[in-house]
Amino acid sequence: EPEVTQTPSHQVTQMGQEVILRCVPISNHLYFYWYRQILGQKVEFLVSFYNNEISEKSEIFDDQFSVERPDGSNFTLKIRSTKLEDSAMYFCASKISLTTRQNNNYGYTFGSGTRLTVV
Amino acid sequence: AQTVTQSQPEMSVQEAETVTLSCTYDTSENNYYLFWYKQPPSRQMILVIRQEAYKQQNATENRFSVNFQKAAKSFSLKISDSQLGDTAMYFCAFMRSGNTGKLIFGQGTTLQVKP
Repeated sequence: EPEVTQTPSHQVTQMGQEVILRCVPISNHLYFYWYRQILGQKVEFLVSFYNNEISEKSEIFDDQFSVERPDGSNFTLKIRSTKLEDSAMYFCASKISLTTRQNNNYGYTFGSGTRLTVV
Repeated sequence: AQTVTQSQPEMSVQEAETVTLSCTYDTSENNYYLFWYKQPPSRQMILVIRQEAYKQQNATENRFSVNFQKAAKSFSLKISDSQLGDTAMYFCAFMRSGNTGKLIFGQGTTLQVKP
């Protein structure tokens, strides 16, 4: 079964440093997402991306965040200057279309996440 | 704006018993989808079951079933014959139809299955 791959699985970074989280979505998917989960809390939407541009972003997704799909394969989340409160699990997800049903999931597949620790 | 509420932070059940996890949501939309996701200690997000709002029939996936009450905006998950491997955090989630496809999650319910 196709997977969404995220690297690294765990990243530790110094406060103020830039970090890039990487994701390889499923190859025929068209919609891409980043979600964040602070430890023990709910999963929060950060951003959706379609047709090489952001289609929606949350209040969390401020100027410190950016996303890119540089080569048609990778989908990255960059945090320019990390803060302690950015420590969380970051999930990438992809979806084939908004309405197509696939694998009973409407094409929505999550990666296994990157745990970001800011020290 | 849509909201999803899970009012049970923690629940426990004996192995082989049945447990029901509650979820309510608020929306003015008529077309939408609802999901239950399981998050085991590995923290992977695993789809358990989904329901289309336009379907009156409750969804069922093996030991998992939902009670979808559209008028009451309620979407509970029933786990029958609970197994130790069902121990996990469970999230209820909402998705508008035809929108950007973003999911709005509830706060989660931690389920402990006891031997």
